[in-house]
Amino acid sequence: QLQLQESGPGLVKPSETLSLTCTVSGGSIRSSSYYWGWIRQPPGKGLEWLGSLYYNGDTYYNPSLKSRVTISVDTSKNQFSLRLSSVTATDTAIYYCARLSLPLGDSGYFWDFWGQGTLVTVSS
Amino acid sequence: QSALTQPRSVSGSPGQSVTISCTETSSDVGAYTYVSWYQQHPGKAPKLLIYDVGKRPSGVPDRFSDSRSGKTASLTISGLQAEDEADYYCCSFAGSYGVFGGGTKLTVL
Repeated sequence: QLQLQESGPGLVKPSETLSLTCTVSGGSIRSSSYYWGWIRQPPGKGLEWLGSLYYNGDTYYNPSLKSRVTISVDTSKNQFSLRLSSVTATDTAIYYCARLSLPLGDSGYFWDFWGQGTLVTVSS
Repeated sequence: QSALTQPRSVSGSPGQSVTISCTETSSDVGAYTYVSWYQQHPGKAPKLLIYDVGKRPSGVPDRFSDSRSGKTASLTISGLQAEDEADYYCCSFAGSYGVFGGGTKLTVL
């Protein structure tokens, strides 16, 4: 069974860079059928797509965050990472990593496996 | 900026049916062709409910169904049960760019 696990600091200071890693087990990140992505959820609020990545390094970012977000992959460790720069209190959220299933023929994208999420608080 | 709009809340009694809408507010007709639906219980990660119009992952009961009419996708939950009380989100992609609806809180009365 595929599992995803987020890891990283739970507290980040304002103006610094938030860094998280997602470790994938039970399957290869090198699959041609999937992207891998990050989604966040501020406390009490809805889900926000941050960006997605293919194992070859191709990336797609939420235009509203594009200048601050970087997603990268380490296929040797079966991991992918998120960096969000210049954080403020509004970046406080639960951050989820997830697998994004790619369209096959006449079909769409969907998130089929999720990590449990990790709370990151931005505070001095 | 395109968006997917959901009602903030819906409610129903056990055994009843409820429908949650997800409307695309975009000038690009058909920009968001396929919608997937997710259920999130408090303190838990979202769980995939439905994808590609009518497809359910293994383990999701057929009480959950979806439909599409123009720019509005709808999730219907029939035979409401207490454990259906949760937040529900729609999600779609325009090309490789994703967006979630704002979420709907379902209360089972």
